[in-house]
Amino acid sequence: TQLLEQSPQFLSIQEGENLTVYCNSSSVFSSLQWYRQEPGEGPVLLVTVVTGGEVKKLKRLTFQFGDARKDSSLHITAAQPGDTGLYLCAGAFPFMDSNYQLIWGAGTKLIIKP
Amino acid sequence: IAGITQAPTSQILAAGRRMTLRCTQDMRHNAMYWYRQDLGLGLRLIHYSNTAGTTGKGEVPDGYSVSRANTDDFPLTLASAVPSQTSVYFCASSDRQAGTDTQYFGPGTRLTVL
Repeated sequence: TQLLEQSPQFLSIQEGENLTVYCNSSSVFSSLQWYRQEPGEGPVLLVTVVTGGEVKKLKRLTFQFGDARKDSSLHITAAQPGDTGLYLCAGAFPFMDSNYQLIWGAGTKLIIKP
Repeated sequence: IAGITQAPTSQILAAGRRMTLRCTQDMRHNAMYWYRQDLGLGLRLIHYSNTAGTTGKGEVPDGYSVSRANTDDFPLTLASAVPSQTSVYFCASSDRQAGTDTQYFGPGTRLTVL
């Protein structure tokens, strides 16, 4: 059974601080996606990383895929209250007849205090 | 463009009752999914459909059934609801490309089974 562990589960920091969220597995994924979910809404894709060692930047957010494609991190620089939300990682791997399936981490609940 | 709509937004249901959660997408995506989201467990796949006329079982299919009569609609039915099916249910769709496609989520249905 594939498992994707996210850490920390909960993080509350002051505006302007930096933070890193981790997503780890013992399985190799063909790609890994990061989503953000706000209360009462469904998750929304932030980025997809495909190549081992890949780094992608989205404004103040930096995403990295591990060299072995088993782990990923999300780093936020100078966090803003608007970054508050639930951050979910999802790893894609081959699954029966559906080409691939996404396995989801439990999420990191991030609160940025003004 | 609405994207994905789900109905109802929330529902309180007596145990043993039958319930159908509705999901409609207007993006002409070939693949659709039903997830449940529970605190600390992340998103778990219930059923999926790669294309109209086909369906498949996900990680937690017991007690649920789906149908995919056309591209746009993917209803989820609980034949005889039980309290353990209390959860937030998300429908999603994607335009499948192996390993990297984006899943688009509806706003969710909050279901309470008493």
